Amino acid sequence: DAGITQSPRYKITETGRQVTLMCHQTWSHSYMFWYRQDLGHGLRLIYYSAAADITDKGEVPDGYVVSRSKTENFPLTLESATRSQTSVYFCATKVNSGANVLTFGAGSRLTVL
Amino acid sequence: AQTVTQSQPEMSVQEAETVTLSCTYDTSESDYYLFWYKQPPSRQMILVIRQEAYKQQNATENRFSVNFQKAAKSFSLKISDSQLGDAAMYFCAYPSQGGSEKLVFGKGTKLTVNP
Repeated sequence: DAGITQSPRYKITETGRQVTLMCHQTWSHSYMFWYRQDLGHGLRLIYYSAAADITDKGEVPDGYVVSRSKTENFPLTLESATRSQTSVYFCATKVNSGANVLTFGAGSRLTVL
Repeated sequence: AQTVTQSQPEMSVQEAETVTLSCTYDTSESDYYLFWYKQPPSRQMILVIRQEAYKQQNATENRFSVNFQKAAKSFSLKISDSQLGDAAMYFCAYPSQGGSEKLVFGKGTKLTVNP
């Protein structure tokens, strides 16, 4: 199916564990983004990528690592999960031309106990 | 830091009536886009409408329209003939200064539609 796929949709983990959230797009959009959504904060940008092998920090990057070896994949890793990283995580891609229209995945809800 | 302010955490409207959600932002850019996204209970983020800052005419998409006041840096969303399916969180967003590929989002307004 075309679009953006995030996995897992739901994840429960424990403090200190490593967790990777996956994001896959079937288009060839250059830009990909990771946002987190928390009550009272809206969506905040964690990391983004302009192309394969090009990544940059967003507003709240601490505690997260990203990579982008292939255009279609943009995994987000929490190397040592903390309770403050309990959140809903959204991956998004940007249409290559025109306005900054982001298309979002369905989100991944992560709970850190 | 750039900010997007949605001053109404919650709003409610009667079905078939009109409601306006407010949004103000802060930028020194002269040419940019502004967006409203809707997030229903399914959690999916859906683009509702976008406005190009250099255009005088307010954008309209069916029952959704904006009141864009560039000098005041205000970008409100008007929903006419509200329907039960309009109940959702609504987020205003605009590009981060100096990094036009990144969007900055407001904290959202939760809209309830009463039958």
